[in-house]
Amino acid sequence: AQSVAQPEDQVNVAEGNPLTVKCTYSVSGNPYLFWYVQYPNRGLQFLLKYITGDNLVKGSYGFEAEFNKSQTSFHLKKPSALVSDSALYFCAVRDNYGQNFVFGPGTRLSVLP
Amino acid sequence: ETGVTQTPRHLVMGMTNKKSLKCEQHLGHNAMYWYKQSAKKPLELMFVYSLEERVENNSVPSRFSPECPNSSHLFLHLHTLQPEDSALYLCASSQDGTGVTNEQFFGPGTRLTVL
Repeated sequence: AQSVAQPEDQVNVAEGNPLTVKCTYSVSGNPYLFWYVQYPNRGLQFLLKYITGDNLVKGSYGFEAEFNKSQTSFHLKKPSALVSDSALYFCAVRDNYGQNFVFGPGTRLSVLP
Repeated sequence: ETGVTQTPRHLVMGMTNKKSLKCEQHLGHNAMYWYKQSAKKPLELMFVYSLEERVENNSVPSRFSPECPNSSHLFLHLHTLQPEDSALYLCASSQDGTGVTNEQFFGPGTRLTVL
């Protein structure tokens, strides 16, 4: 069975500092990993995905994520946080057996001015 | 805008009412999904349609009834709901329901309150 863990309910970071939102996963086959962001009163918005190839994936709004197979992690990062990055972030996984997405519980990111 | 619209955005209903949620995608996708998002709980997949056929039903109570008349439209018919059904209902679409690498595009959601 697939599962996703986001160990932090809340991450606080000062504007201009680097940010990391953590995600670990468990799948049976090859993992396909996704990050989504949800702003208040909005649906989820796709940020980036890892399918194959380079372990460092670049996405929207300056976000990137690093796939680490040995640690089964896919942490979301940004070199310099903006106040407007404050939102709820979801990690999701799917495996190559075609199972549907499994989403993590979400991490609330607050960027303080 | 993601290309997926949902109506209504807010809905308040009594337990004996019947209502429907509507989702429309303008992306030419072949797969559509209903999710339930409750406070402090992970996103729950409810139904999946691929090429207008239901391919997954995750043990959802029968008081929720989906309908997919074509690949662009998806409905969720609601009847005799319970207060614990109050949540944000999200619709999503993807290029191909069987394509494991395809990301999903979400609508803004319908905030449902059951009194």
